[in-house]
Amino acid sequence: GENVEQHPSTLSVQEGDSAVIKCTYSDSASNYFPWYKQELGKRPQLIIDIRSNVGEKKDQRIAVTLNKTAKHFSLHITETQPEDSAVYFCAASTTGNQFYFGTGTSLTVIP
Amino acid sequence: ETGVTQSPTHLIKTRGQQVTLRCSSQSGHNTVSWYQQALGQGPQFIFQYYREEENGRGNFPPRFSGLQFPNYSSELNVNALELDDSALYLCASSFGQGNSPLHFGNGTRLTVT
Repeated sequence: GENVEQHPSTLSVQEGDSAVIKCTYSDSASNYFPWYKQELGKRPQLIIDIRSNVGEKKDQRIAVTLNKTAKHFSLHITETQPEDSAVYFCAASTTGNQFYFGTGTSLTVIP
Repeated sequence: ETGVTQSPTHLIKTRGQQVTLRCSSQSGHNTVSWYQQALGQGPQFIFQYYREEENGRGNFPPRFSGLQFPNYSSELNVNALELDDSALYLCASSFGQGNSPLHFGNGTRLTVT
């Protein structure tokens, strides 16, 4: 089955700096890659997603890039703010809405 | 628009017991998936229900079972509870079988002692 690896496991940045989280996947048939943000004690919430026919997608301060050849995708957060502090999960799906998640990155934005 | 709701929020059970967790999907969604999230880990796919039938299963033993009802709500049943079953159980709904975003509930925190 699909295996998703995520790095780093923890990340601290100064407010206003950029943060980058990277994921790799094993199944070349994976074609949908969402990112979720989970604040302490809350549900995971979708922040951005990308499909395999697109190389990059941007939504305000958040962007995701996908390299199908290398089987990796990354989340980029620019101009970080304290409210960006949370755990971020990447995921990959081949078909039928069955998702495989990474182990998470705990992001801390230092004011 | 009604979001995904789960009940109960917390549950404490003893090893060997059975538990039933419940989930109401977001309005307009017909697919329900269940995930287990151990502390400090990402959600792990348990199984998915579409049109009241199991439609995909992760690496979980048969003592994890489920149901989906005509109104698309769902139950997760776990028999013969083990200590390692202690986790946050997340229900997520989505529409159809093509890849679409999952909408998660707040989860049920299960503790097995």
